[in-house]
Amino acid sequence: GAVVSQHPSWVICKSGTSVKIECRSLDFQATTMFWYRQFPKQSLMLMATSNEGSKATYEQGVEKDKFLINHASLTLSTLTVTSAHPEDSSFYICSAREDIGSRGYNEQFFGPGTRLTVL
Amino acid sequence: AQSVTQLDSHVSVSEGTPVLLRCNYSSSYSPSLFWYVQHPNKGLQLLLKYTSAATLVKGINGFEAEFKKSETSFHLTKPSAHMSDAAEYFCVVSKTGGFKTIFGAGTRLFVKA
Repeated sequence: GAVVSQHPSWVICKSGTSVKIECRSLDFQATTMFWYRQFPKQSLMLMATSNEGSKATYEQGVEKDKFLINHASLTLSTLTVTSAHPEDSSFYICSAREDIGSRGYNEQFFGPGTRLTVL
Repeated sequence: AQSVTQLDSHVSVSEGTPVLLRCNYSSSYSPSLFWYVQHPNKGLQLLLKYTSAATLVKGINGFEAEFKKSETSFHLTKPSAHMSDAAEYFCVVSKTGGFKTIFGAGTRLFVKA
C-alpha cells in the first residue's frame, strides 16, 4: 500500500524555539495532505488541509501564524510550530491523499506521527 | 454536516471471545466510512472501508463491519479476539468524494488473557 513518512519521529525543544516536521508521500503524489493533532488518550483533530502550490486551509481555532504549513511539492508538506510553548506538546500526524490512480478516491494514508515535547 | 459517535470509550474482552466496537454516524451526504487502529505511540492503520459498494466489508486481521443505513451504524466486529488486537480504534466518516474526514472519539480495546 501507499506509504507516508514523517520526520522526525520525536523531537524535544526549548520553549520559544521553532520546530519543523516533514511529511512525505513515498510512492505516490499527493495534491492534498492533512495535518492532525492528537492529545493523550484523545482523538485526532484536523488542524489544516495542505494544498500543493497554494495556501493551507486552517480549521477554526487553529492559529495559522503559529502553525505554518508549506506544501512545496506533490510529495512533501511541512508543518512548522513557531515559538513553541509547552502547551504545543502533542502528537502530530499527517496524512496524504492520492488524487489519481486506482487506490481509491478519498482514502487517506497516515504517517506514523511525530511526538513533540516542548520544555 | 457530518458527525460520528463511538458509543463506548473502552471495551474489554477475553482472548478468543468476539469483539464488537460500535459506531453511529450522521451525514447529510452519501458517506464513506472507515475503521482505523492505532497502537500506542504509533500512526494509524486502515482496517477497512465502506465506499458505497457491498454493505458487509471485510478488512485485515479478521475484522469486518456492516454498513446499516437504516440504523446509521457501522459497527466493527471480530469473531475471536487476540492479544495483539489491544489498541485504540477510530471510526471515521467522510463525504464520498469529499475532502474532510471526521474522527470519532476512539474506543480503547482491552484483551484479557
